[in-house]
Amino acid sequence: SAVISQKPSRDICQRGTSLTIQCQVDSQVTMMFWYRQQPGQSLTLIATANQGSEATYESGFVIDKFPISRPNLTFSTLTVSNMSPEDSSIYLCSAKGTGGWTEAFFGQGTRLTVV
Amino acid sequence: AQTVTQSQPEMSVQEAETVTLSCTYDTSESDYYLFWYKQPPSRQMILVIRQEAYKQQNATENRFSVNFQKAAKSFSLKISDSQLGDAAMYFCAYRSIGQGGSEKLVFGKGTKLTVNP
Repeated sequence: SAVISQKPSRDICQRGTSLTIQCQVDSQVTMMFWYRQQPGQSLTLIATANQGSEATYESGFVIDKFPISRPNLTFSTLTVSNMSPEDSSIYLCSAKGTGGWTEAFFGQGTRLTVV
Repeated sequence: AQTVTQSQPEMSVQEAETVTLSCTYDTSESDYYLFWYKQPPSRQMILVIRQEAYKQQNATENRFSVNFQKAAKSFSLKISDSQLGDAAMYFCAYRSIGQGGSEKLVFGKGTKLTVNP
């Protein structure tokens, strides 16, 4: 298993500003994922963060809005840029180990409110 | 693209009773993984149970078991002897397997489970 620490756990931000969310895993993992969970909704994948290469974004999400870094096998950041109230959501980091069907583990999420 | 449907936005159960949460999915793949995750108010996503599609035997984890019907593309979760701590949002999720398959999880919209004392 893996323990994932996500910071900050919550934040209230002014519109037009940016927030960087950090995700630290206690072991090396091959894949890291960033999900968005809008209020009362399910989880939607934003992007897959690959170590040493560009992140792969899902339809509807772009790098300019959600730049991602993955400097090593245990760490990733997601930045929410030029925020608007529509960006108010929970953002969750997830990681998956190597081989087989190892399940994905999740951080505790970041609750973002944009005012 | 794969889709996951949870038709019960909310469910309630009496403590110590049994409840079943429904999940159906759509895919053209023959092998894949299915999961149930629990999300309590703490927001932490916790894996409850998993099933590999090629395995006919239904997965069981203590009080949690699944009824996996591959032909019907159905994957329901049964919680026996419900406890107050089981109260949470439950998400059904699908993941591809094998080369070329996406590693991402596709989630249903969730079912909010309330456990009444």
